[in-house]
Amino acid sequence: DAKTTQPTSMDCAEGRAANLPCNHSTISGNEYVYWYRQIHSQGPQYIIHGLKNNETNEMASLIITEDRKSSTLILPHATLRDTAVYYCIVRVNAGGTSYGKLTFGQGTILTVHP
Amino acid sequence: GAVVSQHPSWVICKSGTSVKIECRSLDFQATTMFWYRQFPKQSLMLMATSNEGSKATYEQGVEKDKFLINHASLTLSTLTVTSAHPEDSSFYICSARVGNNSPLHFGNGTRLTVT
Repeated sequence: DAKTTQPTSMDCAEGRAANLPCNHSTISGNEYVYWYRQIHSQGPQYIIHGLKNNETNEMASLIITEDRKSSTLILPHATLRDTAVYYCIVRVNAGGTSYGKLTFGQGTILTVHP
Repeated sequence: GAVVSQHPSWVICKSGTSVKIECRSLDFQATTMFWYRQFPKQSLMLMATSNEGSKATYEQGVEKDKFLINHASLTLSTLTVTSAHPEDSSFYICSARVGNNSPLHFGNGTRLTVT
């Protein structure tokens, strides 16, 4: 699976939008972009995923550039409970030897402050 | 949404004993589950892929005789840490997917402390 690059840490004020960038310049055409987050001492929580179109759900929006080499996760109105490590992962969805596996990088530590 | 449950959430054991961790998919069937390990201030590392009705596939460097995985049903996979040592102390997390094109859902992890 393609590697991703994320900033080590970011800060955000409560109530403001948190924009978390991710670079995946070696992404293949059949690889999806997934975002998970991990709150301290818990298992990772699925947030959103996409292939090439922008996606939105009740938690966040995912903006993928046209060349698919980078993406941004947007939490529209960050709260203190959004403080977590956010992981951007690219993965094929079906087939291949890596099918189903998620390879986690170091992620971005997002701190939401009052 | 899909729920993955792990038990116990934490366990303390003495060096040399074995510990079993259960991972259950509560509202769906999972033919494949994944086991991860996470040391403090590090990211998750995949240990093995658990396949229902067949042998698990272990990642390079993970001892299959030390970390026994059993996936006897479509809703249960177990990880047994045999002859545990203090260096096995870690956060163990399982995950499963609902279907082929669905995201993985994770359990809340098991904190193992070996004294």
